[in-house]
Amino acid sequence: NAGVTQTPKFRILKIGQSMTLQCTQDMNHNYMYWYRQDPGMGLKLIYYSVGAGITDKGEVPNGYNVSRSTTEDFPLRLELAAPSQTSVYFCASSAGLAGETQYFGPGTRLLVL
Amino acid sequence: AQSVAQPEDQVNVAEGNPLTVKCTYSVSGNPYLFWYVQYPNRGLQFLLKYITGDNLVKGSYGFEAEFNKSQTSFHLKKPSALVSDSALYFCAVRDMDNSWGKLQFGAGTQVVVTP
Repeated sequence: NAGVTQTPKFRILKIGQSMTLQCTQDMNHNYMYWYRQDPGMGLKLIYYSVGAGITDKGEVPNGYNVSRSTTEDFPLRLELAAPSQTSVYFCASSAGLAGETQYFGPGTRLLVL
Repeated sequence: AQSVAQPEDQVNVAEGNPLTVKCTYSVSGNPYLFWYVQYPNRGLQFLLKYITGDNLVKGSYGFEAEFNKSQTSFHLKKPSALVSDSALYFCAVRDMDNSWGKLQFGAGTQVVVTP
């Protein structure tokens, strides 16, 4: 049982390039999330999904896109990377909302130059 | 609107001494409260949560937290800190009356335990 896995661990992008951050969970969770973590700012929710085919914006969605074609996978797409997107990105999943625990992946560190 | 505050950017404690990491929250209804820990270059790991019931919640690695509704606090505690407890700690809250609401994280508190 691997939990939540993310690839790549680290990536350097040039301004204007695009990339996809991969996230997979093996806990059969319906709910999945993408966060970004900036120093001293805690975690900000980018997008979330309540099940395959259903996604919605979080508090900082601009510059990102997501899709959810399967229960297991929730990729995050960065189009036209900007320096402001330099951050650490975490994917998480949970069995539900309310009081359910979110389980986090190890993160992807992204540097945009 | 919901919010959570961790008033200390950093907490320094000697090994063997009690450790407290403070968290206060604001929600319109009743809260679900969580503590997570993040070790360097790792993801967040769940420590404990308060849903309902006993105000004292026990979690992983000897940590506990006390829910205080009148003070809107959920402080994390450990009776005897270890050097290995040095990490970044996050408090998070969700409003029970808005179950579709997002989980709101605090800015984090860096804990440094010295030998």
